[in-house]
Amino acid sequence: EPEVTQTPSHQVTQMGQEVILRCVPISNHLYFYWYRQILGQKVEFLVSFYNNEISEKSEIFDDQFSVERPDGSNFTLKIRSTKLEDSAMYFCASSEVSRGGNTGELFFGEGSRLTVL
Amino acid sequence: AQSVTQLDSQVPVFEEAPVELRCNYSSSVSVYLFWYVQYPNQGLQLLLKYLSGSTLVKGINGFEAEFNKSQTSFHLRKPSVHISDTAEYFCAVSDWGYQKVTFGTGTKLQVIP
Repeated sequence: EPEVTQTPSHQVTQMGQEVILRCVPISNHLYFYWYRQILGQKVEFLVSFYNNEISEKSEIFDDQFSVERPDGSNFTLKIRSTKLEDSAMYFCASSEVSRGGNTGELFFGEGSRLTVL
Repeated sequence: AQSVTQLDSQVPVFEEAPVELRCNYSSSVSVYLFWYVQYPNQGLQLLLKYLSGSTLVKGINGFEAEFNKSQTSFHLRKPSVHISDTAEYFCAVSDWGYQKVTFGTGTKLQVIP
């Protein structure tokens, strides 16, 4: 069964360092997302990406964050200068397009846990 | 804007008892509704979805949910829970063609042997 894969599963970094989280969405999906979940809190939307551009982003997704689809398979989230409060589980998701458009049904990866020290 | 309210942060229930996890949503347009489950240290897995048609939706692992437009609710039910159902359950909403899915705060289901 096709699945979304994420790497690394866990990354520890020093405050101020750059981090890149990688995702391989399901191959025929066209919408890609990043969500995050701070320990014990809700799943928060960060950004959605379609047709090689950001389609929507939340207030959390400030200038420190960027996304990229560098090739036909990977979808990355970069945090330019990490802060302590960026410590969270980051989930990549993808969704397919039906006749009516994006149904919003997301397929999630297992997540990348980021710990900022 | 769309939003989801999960009224219960934790629900303890004895094994083989029925359970209902509550979800209410608000949206200015027609919606798609979802329930996701998150087992400890894992990602989110789709349990079931309501896109259109029958308001009673059946999902995996014996769960079902009923879409009630007048009450703007999408409660999740299971007639008899198992220990393996212990997890966190998230209700989510997406507008037609909208580019994001909004999650509720989650309900931790604890099944007691």
